[in-house]
Amino acid sequence: GAGVSQSPSNKVTEKGKDVELRCDPISGHTALYWYRQSLGQGLEFLIYFQGNSAPDKSGLPSDRFSAERTGGSVSTLTIQRTQQEDSAVYLCASSLRGEGGAEAFFGQGTRLTVV
Amino acid sequence: ILNVEQSPQSLHVQEGDSTSFTCSFPSSNFYALHWYRWETAKSPEALFVMTLNGDEKKKGRISATLNTKEGYSYLYIKGSQPEDSATYLCASTTSGTYKYIFGTGTRLKVLA
Repeated sequence: GAGVSQSPSNKVTEKGKDVELRCDPISGHTALYWYRQSLGQGLEFLIYFQGNSAPDKSGLPSDRFSAERTGGSVSTLTIQRTQQEDSAVYLCASSLRGEGGAEAFFGQGTRLTVV
Repeated sequence: ILNVEQSPQSLHVQEGDSTSFTCSFPSSNFYALHWYRWETAKSPEALFVMTLNGDEKKKGRISATLNTKEGYSYLYIKGSQPEDSATYLCASTTSGTYKYIFGTGTRLKVLA
């Protein structure tokens, strides 16, 4: 597709279950980011990929969170044993190159609700 | 300033009014300032990327200015329309990094 695609768009899960969020970046974009927005908060950085490697995972809130990227393209963010505080909108973005002057293109996000 | 801060947090304006918001960011090692518009149920959409002190950019009724020495940017909307209702986000990046640091946004509601 022409833009960044995320799936699912909405996910309701029970506390303690694992969830997997998917991001399809724009073809050719080497840089990929995951952010999340919790209620009343700003966009919080989670992880950055350059190609398949993640030089910065500093924003992952706990070891229940992990992410991978394969083939320099699709990325999945996995949250194990979900907690209510994980409820948020998870946004993925990609850019042509991983430098701060490049425009980042965002997906529509996955709204995760943990009940 | 250590973080990116935006004000006001939210505002309501009447259709036809002009309005502006502020983004404050760390001025040391500044590289670029990004403005995004985020409408409900849509992707954040890039409005401007600015890098030079004194930069001014314009897109239709929306314009932005940048002061890198004092670490602030203004976004202006002239003659607000209901379709301008959205959350406006700014993000700064610093030299040699890839991370966009976002503010909490300004939520604009334009009343018809």
